[in-house]
Amino acid sequence: DAKTTQPNSMESNEEEPVHLPCNHSTISGTDYIHWYRQLPSQGPEYVIHGLTSNVNNRMASLAIAEDRKSSTLILHRATLRDAAVYYCILGQAGTALIFGKGTTLSVSS
Amino acid sequence: DAGVIQSPRHEVTEMGQEVTLRCKPISGHNSLFWYRQTMMRGLELLIYFNNNVPIDDSGMPEDRFSAKMPNASFSTLKIQPSEPRDSAVYFCASTQRPGTGELFFGEGSRLTVL
Repeated sequence: DAKTTQPNSMESNEEEPVHLPCNHSTISGTDYIHWYRQLPSQGPEYVIHGLTSNVNNRMASLAIAEDRKSSTLILHRATLRDAAVYYCILGQAGTALIFGKGTTLSVSS
Repeated sequence: DAGVIQSPRHEVTEMGQEVTLRCKPISGHNSLFWYRQTMMRGLELLIYFNNNVPIDDSGMPEDRFSAKMPNASFSTLKIQPSEPRDSAVYFCASTQRPGTGELFFGEGSRLTVL
């Protein structure tokens, strides 16, 4: 399985942008890059995903490096509610997503 | 749609008892997953069904664990006999596009085995 590497933890201030990095140097051409987050005492929830191009949605933006060996999840204005564990996962068609340890994001007011 | 529905939300049982966790996936989703989460091991994939057929059960810990999907709208995860080390939060998730689309999780079933 292709693996991802994320920092264990990051800190941010409320209303500031947050850039969460993910390295996936062994990514294959058919791997999708997925981001999920898990708020305290809740199940994981989908944030965003993409294949090659940058993606934007109401929650976040996904910036994918040209060589696809890394990506960055961008939260444009962090709020206290964004404090969570963020998982970067590679997925191929027809397969299950395998979650790693993720990055624990703390947001201070 | 109501989302992925799991029951029970909480279960406390004694070692040796049988435990059955239930999941109703989102209508129209053809893939269903069971995950287990503990502090020590994180979020682990237990089993993956596609069109009601188990595709990957390599994560099922041992013979005490079994999962079934008798139809497209229902799945069960059974532990018999249960042990204290089975204490965890068990999540069910479903999707129309495994690996390439959004995965929807239920709220989880928190199991405590005394």
